[in-house]
This record gives sequence, structure tokens and C-alpha cells, in this order.
Amino acid sequence: SAVISQKPSRDICQRGTSLTIQCQVDSQVTMMFWYRQQPGQSLTLIATANQGSEATYESGFVIDKFPISRPNLTFSTLTVSNMSPEDSSIYLCSVEEAGYQETQYFGPGTRLLVL
Amino acid sequence: QQPVQSPQAVILREGEDAVINCSSSKALYSVHWYRQKHGEAPVFLMILLKGGEQKGHDKISASFNEKKQQSSLYLTASQLSYSGTYFCGTEIQGAQKLVFGQGTRLTINP
Repeated sequence: SAVISQKPSRDICQRGTSLTIQCQVDSQVTMMFWYRQQPGQSLTLIATANQGSEATYESGFVIDKFPISRPNLTFSTLTVSNMSPEDSSIYLCSVEEAGYQETQYFGPGTRLLVL
Repeated sequence: QQPVQSPQAVILREGEDAVINCSSSKALYSVHWYRQKHGEAPVFLMILLKGGEQKGHDKISASFNEKKQQSSLYLTASQLSYSGTYFCGTEIQGAQKLVFGQGTRLTINP
């Protein structure tokens, strides 16, 4: 399976600021996804990041708050903008390996605390 | 719509068996099972495609009942390493995305 890394692994931010999270994969993948997981909760899909096209956002998530870039088949970024304490969460990227039964593999996650 | 997992939590002694269920109100194309340990990322266990197939490796197996839109994960002779939260992720035909259940916390005691 693909090896996925995320930066930063954790951060503490002040409200009103923005943080950009990077997701790097060691192989080319077609589909990349960004999830949010609040403490003790399930995984909630924020958006699907497709190379060469705009990200597709899920209900409740908007581009102005969570802009996403996907410049190539191995890299994506998620920005959490104008942060509030409610944005404190774990943010995970996942990738779907092309042609392998559409299995998703997750990166290690970014733990974000907003004060 | 989020699939429903049951039970929400289960506590076992090492060597006992467990069954975790995942039910959807929508017709599913596939069901994906993951295990997540505290502070770690979810780890892929297996995928089941529509067709009612059953899969397994080691002492963990799963089934997918297409008629009931339900999948079950079976853990036999549980080991301490099986502890964690199990999530099912369901995919509807053509959706190209997963919707995850609320999770089942499994605790294995010696």
C-alpha cells in the first residue's frame, strides 16, 4: 500500500489564524480525500481532492473555510481558515490506490488545537 | 446517510469471540472495515463488494449480506492486539466516497 505522510503532525494555533496541512504520497494516486475526526467520534469526509479539477465538498463544508489544492498526483494541501476552537480536531488525508478495489489508506493525521 | 454500527462497545477476555455489525438504509456497493487504535490512523482491514462474499485473514473475517444491506465483522479467539475502535465505511454505487459508521470500541482484557 501507499506510504502517506502529513505535515505538521500536530499544532496549536490561535483563533482567527489559518493552518495549511500537507499530505504527501509516495506513489501516484487518483483520488485523495480529507477527513475530520473530532475526539472520540467517527470520520467525517470534508472533501474529495481530484488532480486537475476543483475539490468536491461535502455538505457542511465550504471552500472558503477549507480551501484545498491538488497540484499533482502525489500531493495535496488542506487549509483550515479563520480558525475557532470548534476546529480543534484531527485532520486526516486518505488516498485511493488506482485499480486496487478502491481501497482507501489513511495518513497519520494532524492534531490541531485552536485556542 | 451514516451506517449504524452495533454494538457501540464491547469488552472481552482474550480468546473470546466478537461480532460487529454495520447496517445501512441504502443499497451498498461496498463495505470497508478499519481498525483504529488510540492516537493512530485507521488501518484498513478488508473490503467487501456487493455479491454477498465473505472474506477473512488470520482470525478476522467479514460477510456482506446484500439483501439486508448489512455487513458483519467476526473476530475469533481475540488477541490483546485486537483492541481498538472498529469502523465500517460504506459506499453507494457511483458515489466514489465512503461514509463511516460511528464506530465500535473493542476492549480485550487478559
